[in-house]
Amino acid sequence: AQKVTQAQTEISVVEKEDVTLDCVYETRDTTYYLFWYKQPPSGELVFLIRRNSFDEQNEISGRYSWNFQKSTSSFNFTITASQVVDSAVYFCALYYGQNFVFGPGTRLSVLP
Amino acid sequence: DTGVSQNPRHKITKRGQNVTFRCDPISEHNRLYWYRQTLGQGPEFLTYFQNEAQLEKSRLLSDRFSAERPKGSFSTLEIQRTEQGDSAMYLCASSLSETSHNEQFFGPGTRLTVL
Repeated sequence: AQKVTQAQTEISVVEKEDVTLDCVYETRDTTYYLFWYKQPPSGELVFLIRRNSFDEQNEISGRYSWNFQKSTSSFNFTITASQVVDSAVYFCALYYGQNFVFGPGTRLSVLP
Repeated sequence: DTGVSQNPRHKITKRGQNVTFRCDPISEHNRLYWYRQTLGQGPEFLTYFQNEAQLEKSRLLSDRFSAERPKGSFSTLEIQRTEQGDSAMYLCASSLSETSHNEQFFGPGTRLTVL
């Protein structure tokens, strides 16, 4: 079965701390895509990154970085020097075949 | 504004009534998706269209739910004989690529409350 697990339900950090959001996925497909989305309090999901199963290169975009490890089926997301505006719910998602499966989300609260 | 739009933003209805939601995707996007999101959960895939063809339906989509995309542009999602369990946020998303599944662009959602 295809599944996405985000074990951290809620995380609170103080501004400027680094924080890592975990994502573990399950799939039997050899070709799949992994995504991270941000859902701020306004409610609209915002795309952050897409990674295909053949590309294990880590990626950095500003304060955001992603660590994809097929050996552990993980696609973790790190925010460096967190800011209050990073407060949101973050979803990891798996696309395989014709379906998307979202994880339950991690609520990140960044305190001033 | 060229993003995904959804109407209405909020809908309150009584149990047993029918409701219809509309989604207008980004104009050049050929794929359109519907999701349902309940409080504290991630979005759950319901169905998607490529142009006007409905290609996939989740088993979550009971026979009370029907979706259309008649001209390959906007889409409607209808729920007949609503139940309290249908209360949720209904999200629409669109994307362009047919093969590499570029990022989906989400609309603001329609929040349905069934009394």
